[in-house]
Amino acid sequence: ELKVEQNPLFLSMQEGKNYTIYCNYSTTSDRLYWYRQDPGKSLESLFVLLSNGAVKQEGRLMASLDTKARLSTLHITAAVHDLSATYFCAVDISQAGTALIFGKGTTLSVSS
Amino acid sequence: DGGITQSPKYLFRKEGQNVTLSCEQNLNHDAMYWYRQDPGQGLRLIYYSQIVNDFQKGDIAEGYSVSREKKESFPLTVTSAQKNPTAFYLCASSNFYNEQFFGPGTRLTVL
Repeated sequence: ELKVEQNPLFLSMQEGKNYTIYCNYSTTSDRLYWYRQDPGKSLESLFVLLSNGAVKQEGRLMASLDTKARLSTLHITAAVHDLSATYFCAVDISQAGTALIFGKGTTLSVSS
Repeated sequence: DGGITQSPKYLFRKEGQNVTLSCEQNLNHDAMYWYRQDPGQGLRLIYYSQIVNDFQKGDIAEGYSVSREKKESFPLTVTSAQKNPTAFYLCASSNFYNEQFFGPGTRLTVL
């Protein structure tokens, strides 16, 4: 059974601190995506990682992909309150590029 | 502006009633998807369509039906056979890299 596991599921951070969210998956895949969801809202695409060793950065967020380890990380640098949201990773398991399998999400709360 | 629209934003269903959720996109994407999200949960795939007049069941298709008569449109019907339909429904379409773009969602409540 395919599994996409995120940890931690809940993360409470202080402003200015650094932290990493982990996304492990149980089958071969070269494509991984990160999304952000604000409470009551839809999902917003953050990063698209399409190969082993891919690294993408946007502001205080950096995502990486290690397909051999079946692991992606989302690193948060010097957290600010505006980063408070739920973050999902999703894995593309189909050669035809169809449905994604989502993790359960990591809810991040940043406080001063 | 290109994007995905869903309507209505809120929908209330009575027992035994079928309801249809609308999803339209002007991104010229071939593939479209319907997901269900329950509180505190991730997304679960209901149906997806890679091309007009073709669609596939996802993990939780029972009690739902779809059609894909036009590239731009992928409506979802929640039938009376779906016993626990209260959830947040998200429609998406995907580009060449299978990056999925989501609509604003429809929140369905059973009365």
